[in-house]
Amino acid sequence: IQLTQSPSLLSASVGDRVTLSCKGSQNINNYLAWYQQKLGEAPKLLIYNTNSLQTGIPSRFSGSGSGTDYTLTISSLQPEDVATYFCYQYNNGFGAGTKLELK
Amino acid sequence: EVQLVESGGGLVQPGRSMKLSCAASGFTFSDYYMAWVRQAPKKGLEWVASISYEGSSTYYGDSVKGRFTISRDNAKSTLYLQMNSLRSEDTATYYCASHYVYYGSIGYFDYWGQGVMVTVSS
Repeated sequence: IQLTQSPSLLSASVGDRVTLSCKGSQNINNYLAWYQQKLGEAPKLLIYNTNSLQTGIPSRFSGSGSGTDYTLTISSLQPEDVATYFCYQYNNGFGAGTKLELK
Repeated sequence: EVQLVESGGGLVQPGRSMKLSCAASGFTFSDYYMAWVRQAPKKGLEWVASISYEGSSTYYGDSVKGRFTISRDNAKSTLYLQMNSLRSEDTATYYCASHYVYYGSIGYFDYWGQGVMVTVSS
């Protein structure tokens, strides 16, 4: 299964609602996680099983989707959210990432 | 607090071997599958290998199958990655991660170490 993330680069302002997309070439069956990687740091799990928020992650992060189309939403962008975001389909692989920067 | 600390990286010549270690603390190591995930410089993430609770089952990505071996010592709460016949394309930061598995090797990586750099070059 190929995972396609879009956009590859996203510029947004503090307070914006931000939506990142991850599309599979086949049905992903909700076996999808989202990771945040800040510059020079290890990836951090944000969302698992499409929409379950990992312990300690702020509630402004949410996940949704089904079938082949999945979304990570940040309800109100904060400066500390600047990072690259990867989706991961269990036992298949990672998407290429979306780099999120401040406008 | 969960801690995963990798060690053993560095510069190695093509064709040679290297062994990475990952010391775990803050959770019951034997209750978790464990995994290695790597990231080439300025590139995306690639799953390398996973191992079951007691080490009886191992799983490998196609790019490392037959060259890398994942193992664990539950008494020492330590994960290992033996890398043989190293190639320039194995140059990457290698992350140790706990692997929450539902069945087989199907699952997600929940906790990650800080990573260790491996450079394969003559």
